[in-house]
Amino acid sequence: AQSVSQHNHHVILSEAASLELGCNYSYGGTVNLFWYVQYPGQHLQLLLKYFSGDPLVKGIKGFEAEFIKSKFSFNLRKPSVQWSDTAEYFCAVRGNNRLAFGKGNQVVVIP
Amino acid sequence: EAGVTQSPTHLIKTRGQQATLRCSPISGHTSVYWYQQALGLGLQFLLWYDEGEERNRGNFPPRFSGRQFPNYSSELNVHALELEDSALYLCASSPESVYGYTFGSGTRLTVV
Repeated sequence: AQSVSQHNHHVILSEAASLELGCNYSYGGTVNLFWYVQYPGQHLQLLLKYFSGDPLVKGIKGFEAEFIKSKFSFNLRKPSVQWSDTAEYFCAVRGNNRLAFGKGNQVVVIP
Repeated sequence: EAGVTQSPTHLIKTRGQQATLRCSPISGHTSVYWYQQALGLGLQFLLWYDEGEERNRGNFPPRFSGRQFPNYSSELNVHALELEDSALYLCASSPESVYGYTFGSGTRLTVV
């Protein structure tokens, strides 16, 4: 079964700083990759996804992620964060008919 | 378009009891997934139902079970509740298993 690793569980940064969240997975087959966001008190929402094609994927709210197959990575980036980006971010990998999630990154943006 | 709806929002049970959680997928979505989100553990895959059949199961004991009805809604049952079953239970749906999932707001189960 696939597994997903997210590092730096807690991230604190100031507004306008750049954000990068790492995601590494282990699975030998074809994968679909996702980043979800959970704002305080809200349900999980899809930020972006990768199925095939251009490995640089652009999502909502200025987020993007790059799939690097050789590194089994799908890191999430945003050049300039806002206070409203305070949330928990989950990387997910779908393989073998199962969507596996990482443990999440709790991101706090200080105004 | 209505999203994935879950009920109840909150559920408090005592140890040893049974809990029943319900999920209505987005209209037209045939697959329903259940996840457990416990504090510090992220989202753990529980069950996947598609077209009324259980298609896949996570590493949970048999006292976690469920079913999918002809209208594609689903029910998760947890028997012989234990304190560590306290968590947020999320339901998600998708039109087919190859697409991304849409999540509901969850049922917060507290076992006392």
